[in-house]
Amino acid sequence: GQQLNQSPQSMFIQEGEDVSMNCTSSSIFNTWLWYKQDPGEGPVLLIALYKAGELTSNGRLTAQFGITRKDSFLNISASIPSDVGIYFCAGQLPGAQKLVFGQGTRLTINP
Amino acid sequence: GAVVSQHPSWVICKSGTSVKIECRSLDFQATTMFWYRQFPKQSLMLMATSNEGSKATYEQGVEKDKFLINHASLTLSTLTVTSAHPEDSSFYICSARDLRTGGMNEQFFGPGTRLTVL
Repeated sequence: GQQLNQSPQSMFIQEGEDVSMNCTSSSIFNTWLWYKQDPGEGPVLLIALYKAGELTSNGRLTAQFGITRKDSFLNISASIPSDVGIYFCAGQLPGAQKLVFGQGTRLTINP
Repeated sequence: GAVVSQHPSWVICKSGTSVKIECRSLDFQATTMFWYRQFPKQSLMLMATSNEGSKATYEQGVEKDKFLINHASLTLSTLTVTSAHPEDSSFYICSARDLRTGGMNEQFFGPGTRLTVL
């Protein structure tokens, strides 16, 4: 089936550092979504992107819909301890209801 | 807004019994709900897409007679794991698509249900 290549798989950073992760695919998507999942909980929607080239922010988070529609990135600025968790990208193929998920990026922050 | 609940949050059952998990959209109407399964340290695996008033669409490899899905209203979908076995132990998560967003595909997730089959 369709897959999204999400990288990096894990990150170990110091508090206060900026974080960048991305997702790529060989297919064109018409929606990109970024979620954060804490242990034992469901994913929480962070940012939704609908247009190629779109750049959207949500507080310290910024995400962009790649101009080729085959990739997206998520940046977190000035990381804080509560940013710890697993971040997933998800994309919707044209005409599809379901989402395709990336493998996730596990973020660990050293205080 | 866009809150999704799941019940129960965790369940332990004996092998051979059936377990029902409920997924509710609390403050919006959801024409479509999705059921996922997640193994430890892995991504979400879509099991089925549930449309209100019609039969669910199952992903390849998911047994429809094993995982019964009912979407009887715009706010409730249920997943029943029939004749559960230890290999069915997993974290089950539902999501719902907000009717108000029209063609947008934002999915809002429930908190998940941890199923342990002894």
